[in-house]
Amino acid sequence: KQEVTQIPAALSVPEGENLVLNCSFTDSAIYNLQWFRQDPGKGLTSLLLIQSSQREQTSGRLNASLDKSSGRSTLYIAASQPGDSATYLCAAPVPGSNYKLTFGKGTLLTVNP
Amino acid sequence: DAGVTQSPTHLIKTRGQHVTLRCSPISGHKSVSWYQQVLGQGPQFIFQYYEKEERGRGNFPDRFSARQFPNYSSELNVNALLLGDSALYLCASSLGGRGSTDTQYFGPGTRLTVL
Repeated sequence: KQEVTQIPAALSVPEGENLVLNCSFTDSAIYNLQWFRQDPGKGLTSLLLIQSSQREQTSGRLNASLDKSSGRSTLYIAASQPGDSATYLCAAPVPGSNYKLTFGKGTLLTVNP
Repeated sequence: DAGVTQSPTHLIKTRGQHVTLRCSPISGHKSVSWYQQVLGQGPQFIFQYYEKEERGRGNFPDRFSARQFPNYSSELNVNALLLGDSALYLCASSLGGRGSTDTQYFGPGTRLTVL
């Protein structure tokens, strides 16, 4: 069984600050790990997928890392903007599957102008 | 290109009723997954269908069922609705391969309220 934990549950930062969101998972035999963004009442937007063979993946101001041995992933957001305000979710598949995702509860990020 | 689409957007039902939710995947995607997200929680896996066959099922009662059509669209059916079924129901599509690069793309969801 896979369990995913995200810390902190909520984070408030001033605009322009760099920040790190944390995700931990219990079973490291995963194919990949995905980070998503969710705006209030909306669906999920895929941000980054890190394959198990990778240690990092970058998209614009976002950088995600994966350390399978410690069961941790981080999402780094550079130069945060008010438009980054949303809930960020990480999801790890159940081992042996690449589709049955287990999600954390998310980190609610607020970027203040 | 159109993303994942879901209908309806919102739905209000009463306890004991039945509901059908619909999902159309991204063009070229053969896999559809369904998730339930209650307020304040992360989504929970319900089903995955690939090439019209059920590939996986989460820990949900038999009141929940789904199917996938030849055009890869999918329906989620819930019978005998309970108040606890109130949630955002999310559909995700992917190519469906078994490799490590198969990204899941989510639709906007259907908000179900059971009164």
